[in-house]
Amino acid sequence: SQKIEQNSEALNIQEGKTATLTCNYTNYSPAYLQWYRQDPGRGPVFLLLIRENEKEKRKERLKVTFDTTLKQSLFHITASQPADSATYLCALAADSSYKLIFGSGTRLLVRP
Amino acid sequence: DAGVIQSPRHEVTEMGQEVTLRCKLISGHNSLFWYRQTMMRGLELLIYFNNNVPIDDSGMPEDRFSAKMPNASFSTLKIQPSEPRDSAVYFCASSEQTGNTEAFFGQGTRLTVV
Repeated sequence: SQKIEQNSEALNIQEGKTATLTCNYTNYSPAYLQWYRQDPGRGPVFLLLIRENEKEKRKERLKVTFDTTLKQSLFHITASQPADSATYLCALAADSSYKLIFGSGTRLLVRP
Repeated sequence: DAGVIQSPRHEVTEMGQEVTLRCKLISGHNSLFWYRQTMMRGLELLIYFNNNVPIDDSGMPEDRFSAKMPNASFSTLKIQPSEPRDSAVYFCASSEQTGNTEAFFGQGTRLTVV
């Protein structure tokens, strides 16, 4: 069956450290993968998109990798800050129709 | 542009009543997604439209749910009759084109069916 898996346990780290979140998928062949941030009571907000022919993408303190062999994407936040505390969701286009499917998200808590 | 606008923000209704959720897309966007979010099931895609046409409604839970896009900028999601298990946050999102562009989400409608 098709699955997008993110760690359901919250990731709790100290301010200044690097946070690494994982997204694994099964039985999909996405042309690209996206990462979103969601704060309580709000809709998800787009952060980064990485295509299948890109190994890595960076934006300020954010870095995303995409390994189509492992069927995995890693999302890194360097020099993390308490303001980075939120739920982070990965999403991919499920098929050629481009319907956007989301993982269940991982909650990140950055301690001051 | 004010972004994707959903109404109402909160809705409390009694079981059996009809509920209509509304969404205004960002001008120029031609893809529209309706999602439902719960703690147990996460963010589930219900239906998506491209150029006002429903492309995939396989996520619509049952016949009690229906969605329309009467014009390029507006969509409704209707539940009739509503049931307590429909309680969730419903999001709509729009994007410029199908495929590799970001989706912009509304603030969501928190639906409670009692």
